[in-house]
Amino acid sequence: DQQVKQNSPSLSVQEGRISILNCDYTNSMFDYFLWYKKYPAEGPTFLISISSIKDKNEDGRFTVFLNKSAKHLSLHIVPSQPGDSAVYFCKGSGNTGKLIFGQGTTLQVKP
Amino acid sequence: ETGVTQTPRHLVMGMTNKKSLKCEQHLGHNAMYWYKQSAKKPLELMFVYNFKEQTENNSVPSRFSPECPNSSHLFLHLHTLQPEDSALYLCASSQGDGDNYGYTFGSGTRLTVV
Repeated sequence: DQQVKQNSPSLSVQEGRISILNCDYTNSMFDYFLWYKKYPAEGPTFLISISSIKDKNEDGRFTVFLNKSAKHLSLHIVPSQPGDSAVYFCKGSGNTGKLIFGQGTTLQVKP
Repeated sequence: ETGVTQTPRHLVMGMTNKKSLKCEQHLGHNAMYWYKQSAKKPLELMFVYNFKEQTENNSVPSRFSPECPNSSHLFLHLHTLQPEDSALYLCASSQGDGDNYGYTFGSGTRLTVV
């Protein structure tokens, strides 16, 4: 049972535009969500998080939105930069089941 | 460097070999994790250690054997692996073993079983 899903394996965006990465979850017991960014040949690095009691958290160019009723969260990057090109993982918290990370979405920001 | 160091970065081993992966962190974190990332699959949690005690084993085959001698070091001993075990093995650490803490990941060991 995959409790966290990222249904878009890849996304291509022009530099300066907005990137929107989506994540859906099924476990209503998750109380915290985190986004990680991964470059090739490196481990994931923590990017931004949101508690389930909030619907928005902003950190510079990165904003995460949470829609609990839809069990959906999204990461917005504005404006997108070529250095943002990486794989982005979302993670649900509160459950240490085997599949707690999404599959990842590869973002490519074109100059 | 993130503060979590994994060695070796790359490893090629035969199915009859015995090898070990090493992970080291000096961030003062109490929890350490092994994850497996196969091609086109989500990150899979393998083991969790909190204060040197194993608190999670997600039905990992016995050919993978973890060892945590202290809060700063974590090993993954490998023996009689299968080609399908080829993957990127990531070590992570966090302040506590609750998921609310962000994880710090190492760069991973790229394992190829031939």
